[in-house]
Amino acid sequence: LAKTTQPISMDSYEGQEVNITCSHNNIATNDYITWYQQFPSQGPRFIIQGYKTKVTNEVASLFIPADRKSSTLSLPRVSLSDTAVYYCLPFTGGGNKLTFGTGTQLKVEL
Amino acid sequence: GAVVSQHPSRVICKSGTSVKIECRSLDFQATTMFWYRQFPKKSLMLMATSNEGSKATYEQGVEKDKFLINHASLTLSTLTVTSAHPEDSSFYICSARGDGSSGNTIYFGEGSWLTVV
Repeated sequence: LAKTTQPISMDSYEGQEVNITCSHNNIATNDYITWYQQFPSQGPRFIIQGYKTKVTNEVASLFIPADRKSSTLSLPRVSLSDTAVYYCLPFTGGGNKLTFGTGTQLKVEL
Repeated sequence: GAVVSQHPSRVICKSGTSVKIECRSLDFQATTMFWYRQFPKKSLMLMATSNEGSKATYEQGVEKDKFLINHASLTLSTLTVTSAHPEDSSFYICSARGDGSSGNTIYFGEGSWLTVV
């Protein structure tokens, strides 16, 4: 299973763009990269998923370089409600399991 | 996205009793479901992989006789904590792999808080 490395914590202010980078040096060829958001006492919520280049949805963008050894989750104009833990996970699909790393605790202040 | 629901969201039980937590995929069929455990301010720890119609696969260190998992249908998996003790108190989360176009995504339930007194 690909091991991931993320910053333990990040601080930001409302209205700023936040970029969280995750390294996954031994990602497998078939792995997708998925990001989840988790609030206290809730299950993780799917944010975005990609395989390569750039993916954008209504809440975030995901940048994946050509070598796929890292990925960057970009949150535009964060608000206080974006304070949460963010996890990146490579996932092959099928019955393969997701193994969580430490995640990044994002704290957004006024 | 696909919806996964857990029940109950909170449960308190007496030491020595058993408690069951249900995980349902509401709008899709899930041949594979996963059960996690999470302690405060810690990451999720995978306990077992639940496969519909077959035995669950437990992670190293997880007691299969303690944490009974049943995946009897394509929309329901249950986790039963048997002879619960205070150290079993934790946040339990299930997840399921989507089907069809969402087959490469795993969706999580809301989680269930278990307190053993």
